[in-house]
Amino acid sequence: KQEVTQIPAALSVPEGENLVLNCSFTDSAIYNLQWFRQDPGKGLTSLLLIQSSQREQTSGRLNASLDKSSGRSTLYIAASQPGDSATYLCAVRQWGVNYGGSQGNLIFGKGTKLSVKP
Amino acid sequence: GAVVSQHPSWVICKSGTSVKIECRSLDFQATTMFWYRQFPKQSLMLMATSNEGSKATYEQGVEKDKFLINHASLTLSTLTVTSAHPEDSSFYICSAREGSSYFSFDSNQPQHFGDGTRLSIL
Repeated sequence: KQEVTQIPAALSVPEGENLVLNCSFTDSAIYNLQWFRQDPGKGLTSLLLIQSSQREQTSGRLNASLDKSSGRSTLYIAASQPGDSATYLCAVRQWGVNYGGSQGNLIFGKGTKLSVKP
Repeated sequence: GAVVSQHPSWVICKSGTSVKIECRSLDFQATTMFWYRQFPKQSLMLMATSNEGSKATYEQGVEKDKFLINHASLTLSTLTVTSAHPEDSSFYICSAREGSSYFSFDSNQPQHFGDGTRLSIL
């Protein structure tokens, strides 16, 4: 059974710092991996999607890497800002239909709650 | 960009009440929609996958008679929590995957999320 773990669970940094969020998954047979942002009491906003054949994706100050063989992904945030404060979720999409009976199911980690202080 | 509208955003009701939550894709068609539940400080857990015009596929441990899902059109799916009890209190989030074909098992298609519904059962 696929399990997604995110470390740390919470992180507090001063504004301007570069930071790294970690995500690990137990089964490397994934279709792709996504990083999402969730603001309190809100839904999810997709930040970056990395296909299983890719190593990294970049969008603005965000860079996500994927090492499928070791079951790891990192989200790098450069020059953090107070507006980056949110919970960041990592999710992997499975290949087959055996995980919970759904095709292409997204398996989520518990998230990392980031607080960027002015 | 693609928008998923979820309504209502907050519901407080008495135990035994049935509650309906709507999920609409506003500017795209979605053959497949997903319903998730999120308890405090926990990850999103998939409850069911909804395909337009057919029965939903429920995850293990999710009671299909309690959580009724209807996906009658390519832009609307509904989740009805029947005879809700306090333990059903949670944050429910819907998601819609772009695609108008039944065989859109195309995991490269973007999946967009609604803003969620906070359900509190007294």
